[in-house]
Amino acid sequence: AQSVTQPDIHITVSEGASLELRCNYSYGATPYLFWYVQSPGQGLQLLLKYFSGDTLVQGIKGFEAEFKRSQSSFNLRKPSVHWSDAAEYFCAVLKTSYDKVIFGPGTSLSVIP
Amino acid sequence: DTAVSQTPKYLVTQMGNDKSIKCEQNLGHDTMYWYKQDSKKFLKIMFSYNNKELIINETVPNRFSPKSPDKAHLNLHINSLELGDSAVYFCASSHLGGTPRQETQYFGPGTRLLVL
Repeated sequence: AQSVTQPDIHITVSEGASLELRCNYSYGATPYLFWYVQSPGQGLQLLLKYFSGDTLVQGIKGFEAEFKRSQSSFNLRKPSVHWSDAAEYFCAVLKTSYDKVIFGPGTSLSVIP
Repeated sequence: DTAVSQTPKYLVTQMGNDKSIKCEQNLGHDTMYWYKQDSKKFLKIMFSYNNKELIINETVPNRFSPKSPDKAHLNLHINSLELGDSAVYFCASSHLGGTPRQETQYFGPGTRLLVL
């Protein structure tokens, strides 16, 4: 069965430090890949997505993600974290149209001033 | 200008009551979804409607009944509420069958349901 794993349940970084959130998926072909962010008490906001083409994807708020087919990974990165980035981050996978999006369990990010 | 809106934002009710949550999208999408987020933040799809037809129906108690009066609205009615129904319910929408970019799901702000 298709699945999405986010190995880190919780990460704490200092403001200004770099960030990498890991995401791995299990599916034979390349699915559509997404990263969403959920700020406390808010809904989910799309950060970026990958469908095909360039494996390095730029998103909003200075985030980027790199798709690595050989590792079945789609890790999210940011070179310098801001305190406002503290939130829950979800990786998600969509196999094909009319299929359901599978969300990872989420990674909670805390930012130390 | 809200793309996907939900009402109410908060819902506190007694066990055994019946309640409804409403969702509306103004993105012109043809597909809408209901997700449940539990206390551990885990997101799981419940239902999906495409052009008012049910296309995804996960293992959800039949106390939950979605209704889609038109493509822009998807409501969720819950009968005989139980303590375990307490969660955040998110509505989302997308356009299926178009370009991959159109198949991105956009989420509402969520409805926080607390059953006492």
